[in-house]
Amino acid sequence: DADVTQTPRNRITKTGKRIMLECSQTKGHDRMYWYRQDPGLGLRLIYYSFDVKDINKGEISDGYSVSRQAQAKFSLSLESAIPNQTALYFCATSDPRYPQPQYFGPGTRLLVL
Amino acid sequence: KQEVTQIPAALSVPEGENLVLNCSFTDSAIYNLQWFRQDPGKGLTSLLLIQSSQREQTSGRLNASLDKSSGRSTLYIAASQPGDSATYLCAVYLYNFNKFYFGSGTKLNVKP
Repeated sequence: DADVTQTPRNRITKTGKRIMLECSQTKGHDRMYWYRQDPGLGLRLIYYSFDVKDINKGEISDGYSVSRQAQAKFSLSLESAIPNQTALYFCATSDPRYPQPQYFGPGTRLLVL
Repeated sequence: KQEVTQIPAALSVPEGENLVLNCSFTDSAIYNLQWFRQDPGKGLTSLLLIQSSQREQTSGRLNASLDKSSGRSTLYIAASQPGDSATYLCAVYLYNFNKFYFGSGTKLNVKP
């Protein structure tokens, strides 16, 4: 089984709808991240969490919110989806111990019509 | 703000060729540098991680080097194969900011 899983893997939604992307991990890591990837661009950080009570905004948090339900679960919500949020979304975890490698989920492909 | 640049954006080589992918970063106070492989529409697979105190790491036909003073890392792929075709991304971790910064990737095509 994969260490970091994301659901759904693909999602089509309409402008204005609220949607949630979910991430679960079995690595036992405290640190979790949400990124989005657009064609020709690198990954951009949306939100990150270092433990259940610690949530931080990344560089592109506007229009998104997150919930850390447990150490193993970190959800990303689009409150009112818009077409320019069409992208590939990745969840990742990292071990806070040096050297802190990151581990990625398989991604969720989101299309907002 | 850390800037991570990967050049070239795309590379096409014949099978069997040795090749080098480049990654440069502006802030040398990195904690580690990680190279990833991404197949189309898929997630990121970690290839190599170089700790800030290291100069290089090797895994099979892959060798990654790190020169913090010049803000550069290279990923060397020996005897390339069509199965190596993918996008390769580098990412640096800045301890002071507790964040990873990614380059936009190099898309590699190895022709049979």
